[in-house]
Amino acid sequence: DTAVSQTPKYLVTQMGNDKSIKCEQNLGHDTMYWYKQDSKKFLKIMFSYNNKELIINETVPNRFSPKSPDKAHLNLHINSLELGDSAVYFCASSPEGVGRTEAFFGQGTRLTVV
Amino acid sequence: KNEVEQSPQNLTAQEGEFITINCSYSVGISALHWLQQHPGGGIVSLFMLSSGKKKHGRLIATINIQEKHSSLHITASHPRDSAVYICAAQIGNTPLVFGKGTRLSVIA
Repeated sequence: DTAVSQTPKYLVTQMGNDKSIKCEQNLGHDTMYWYKQDSKKFLKIMFSYNNKELIINETVPNRFSPKSPDKAHLNLHINSLELGDSAVYFCASSPEGVGRTEAFFGQGTRLTVV
Repeated sequence: KNEVEQSPQNLTAQEGEFITINCSYSVGISALHWLQQHPGGGIVSLFMLSSGKKKHGRLIATINIQEKHSSLHITASHPRDSAVYICAAQIGNTPLVFGKGTRLSVIA
């Protein structure tokens, strides 16, 4: 069983559309994250949730909204997609708070906005 | 602001060589993470360490808190070790700050 699973793996969409990426972890972890990896392969955190509560919200446009219906899920909704949103988005989870333990990553979702 | 620098950016090695990847950071940290990103894109956490040394198979990670420096070593390298290796620094509960990665290619 995949520990952290993201869907879809690939997403191609037009500018202006609204899309969602789903993330689920079956590890019983308390903390989940969304990271963005840009075209230069640079990883940067976007959000972190601990027990469904938003802990970290970096300087991400309001068009990005995470939603955590329960501890095992952290979905990422993106409204009014722009070309610059094209990137690989990684979901991750860890047993404890931010950075205290190793994180388990999903396989990534490659978003292409055309 | 914590800056994380990795070196080298790219590294090509022959199979069997001993490999070292370096990571330096500019402020005191609570932990340092090493991640491996496979050619297919998946990311795996290799180590999290706050002092000393950790070993897992052929991988060894060390950290020197005073010098603000960490190294990732791979012994008896193999083509399957080819990947991007990323270090990330942790300060308290703030977000991880990532280095730009070291792209390793191991040639048979």
